[in-house]
Amino acid sequence: DAMVIQNPRYQVTQFGKPVTLSCSQTLNHNVMYWYQQKSSQAPKLLFHYYDKDFNNEADTPDNFQSRRPNTSFCFLDIRSPGLGDAAMYLCATSRDLGGGTEAFFGQGTRLTVV
Amino acid sequence: GQNIDQPTEMTATEGAIVQINCTYQTSGFNGLFWYQQHAGEAPTFLSYNVLDGLEEKGRFSSFLSRSKGYSYLLLKELQMKDSASYLCAAPKGNTGKLIFGQGTTLQVKP
Repeated sequence: DAMVIQNPRYQVTQFGKPVTLSCSQTLNHNVMYWYQQKSSQAPKLLFHYYDKDFNNEADTPDNFQSRRPNTSFCFLDIRSPGLGDAAMYLCATSRDLGGGTEAFFGQGTRLTVV
Repeated sequence: GQNIDQPTEMTATEGAIVQINCTYQTSGFNGLFWYQQHAGEAPTFLSYNVLDGLEEKGRFSSFLSRSKGYSYLLLKELQMKDSASYLCAAPKGNTGKLIFGQGTTLQVKP
């Protein structure tokens, strides 16, 4: 059974039109992450939540926002998608923030910007 | 800062053994992860090493040398389904945030 679920698997949005990607987890983990993975590149961390505490990576563009209304759900909002934002967006969870904590990934949402 | 390097592509034959290398530079060390990622799918956990040496898990083994900043993933008895990208990753500081290498795309041929 999937433990980290991302919807939808594929999302097409128009240039400049706000889009929201969703992630839910059944693991009751404290930490939820959003990664961006462009074609043939490594996943790149955008931000994470530890419980309700939001932590942005220094180089994450302001265009990207996130919400975590409860333990189970986390959303990625792209306010004005550009062509360069086309990528796979991966949600992940971990039990805590310790260095050796395994991260569990969802299947990803592939975003296309037209 | 942190830097993780691994070869971009490798090719191997079904039934053979392949070793995928990873070198890393991290500010502080909190272990090294290997993930497998099939095309269009999420990364899945393979291994985590924090102590030097080889850890074996079925057909897959992972090795770490902290003094050399070096790790490798060893895949034995290769199967066609092992064709995937293999990502080396290190935690950012003492956190669960992962810094990934670019991944090594392994193609297994009959």
